[in-house]
Amino acid sequence: SQQGEEDPQALSIQEGENATMNCSYKTSINNLQWYRQNSGRGLVHLILIRSNEREKHSGRLRVTLDTSKKSSSLLITASRAADTASYFCATENSWGKLQFGAGTQVVVTP
Amino acid sequence: GAVVSQHPSWVICKSGTSVKIECRSLDFQATTMFWYRQFPKQSLMLMATSNEGSKATYEQGVEKDKFLINHASLTLSTLTVTSAHPEDSSFYICSATKGKADTQYFGPGTRLTVL
Repeated sequence: SQQGEEDPQALSIQEGENATMNCSYKTSINNLQWYRQNSGRGLVHLILIRSNEREKHSGRLRVTLDTSKKSSSLLITASRAADTASYFCATENSWGKLQFGAGTQVVVTP
Repeated sequence: GAVVSQHPSWVICKSGTSVKIECRSLDFQATTMFWYRQFPKQSLMLMATSNEGSKATYEQGVEKDKFLINHASLTLSTLTVTSAHPEDSSFYICSATKGKADTQYFGPGTRLTVL
């Protein structure tokens, strides 16, 4: 079963705009990770945020985690056409098992 | 470091045949490997967890006799889809970890099409 629910399912923005997507989950976690997947390709690991962390930055990416609400958000600032991809959150439990959200399909138009 | 490869990258087979997919950790020893399946426009679903030298643990609803997993060495796990049918057509992705609850490194995936 899916652990994470993501919204929106799809997002269309113009280059230079920011993109925000959210992820909610149901059970306790060790950490939450965000991945990118280009069409028909493998996963690219973007960022990991531990359960005791609230915010993390990596380049143009900013991730927040609210364990009280069991939710996380991924913000991509100053988006580029190359950011066009599907983005998935995944929660990791104490056994190292990942459960993926449904994903958000992002389209960035020049 | 931490590169995972899959072979083949894509395969087309006839209904009823069996297909083997390999997952290799190229520059590290993987104590655990995971197999996922992804249908078009959907998320990754964990199929099974494979530990070197022991039987794989399958997720609920995944038929172990249909999806045979062999983790014969610390760098290789194989997934065999037996008697494949069109509904098995999917994108199969593996991941590998160096240790329990360690970061999972993903392979590039294998696109299986069953005619």
